[in-house]
Amino acid sequence: SQTIHQWPATLVQPVGSPLSLECTVEGTSNPNLYWYRQAAGRGLQLLFYSIGIGQISSEVPQNLSASRPQDRQFILSSKKLLLSDSGFYLCAWSRGYSGNTIYFGEGSWLTVV
Amino acid sequence: DQQVKQNSPSLSVQEGRISILNCDYTNSMFDYFLWYKKYPAEGPTFLISISSIKDKNEDGRFTVFLNKSAKHLSLHIVPSQPGDSAVYFCAASAVQGAQKLVFGQGTRLTINP
Repeated sequence: SQTIHQWPATLVQPVGSPLSLECTVEGTSNPNLYWYRQAAGRGLQLLFYSIGIGQISSEVPQNLSASRPQDRQFILSSKKLLLSDSGFYLCAWSRGYSGNTIYFGEGSWLTVV
Repeated sequence: DQQVKQNSPSLSVQEGRISILNCDYTNSMFDYFLWYKKYPAEGPTFLISISSIKDKNEDGRFTVFLNKSAKHLSLHIVPSQPGDSAVYFCAASAVQGAQKLVFGQGTRLTINP
């Protein structure tokens, strides 16, 4: 069966510090990978998605970037965090074709102080 | 532009009764719809989905109805149980390449004993 893990689960970072959230998927190959964010009291917003190694699409302009160095690894980064980057970040995967369910990881709470 | 809307931020239902959660969408290109359940500080869990070629899909206590002409879908939970208390998100996607879901704002369901 397929599993998805992301870490760290909780992070408190000062403004201006870097960020790295990591996500890995097991039990499948060539998945689509996603980073979503849920800001306080809001829905889930798609930040990035990837259909293959090194292929990243950004959905919204922001202070964050994503990379996919390996088939089942997806990393969310920032060089300098802003207060507005605080939120609940979710990694997700789906099979590599349309019309399929997206499955989410456990989520990472980021608080920028 | 909110393409997927859940107009009820909260819903309270008595245990054993039916819970009905509603969702409206505006993009006629959407052809795959999903419902997710989310507990605090956890990733969303997939519940049930429906393709636009159907108008109903049932899985145990959960049934999703799709009315394409009204651009409306609903999730019925019957009978409702205390463990169903959570935030429910509806999501939609248009079949093009990566499975990019657009989420509603969520409805907080509370099941009262």
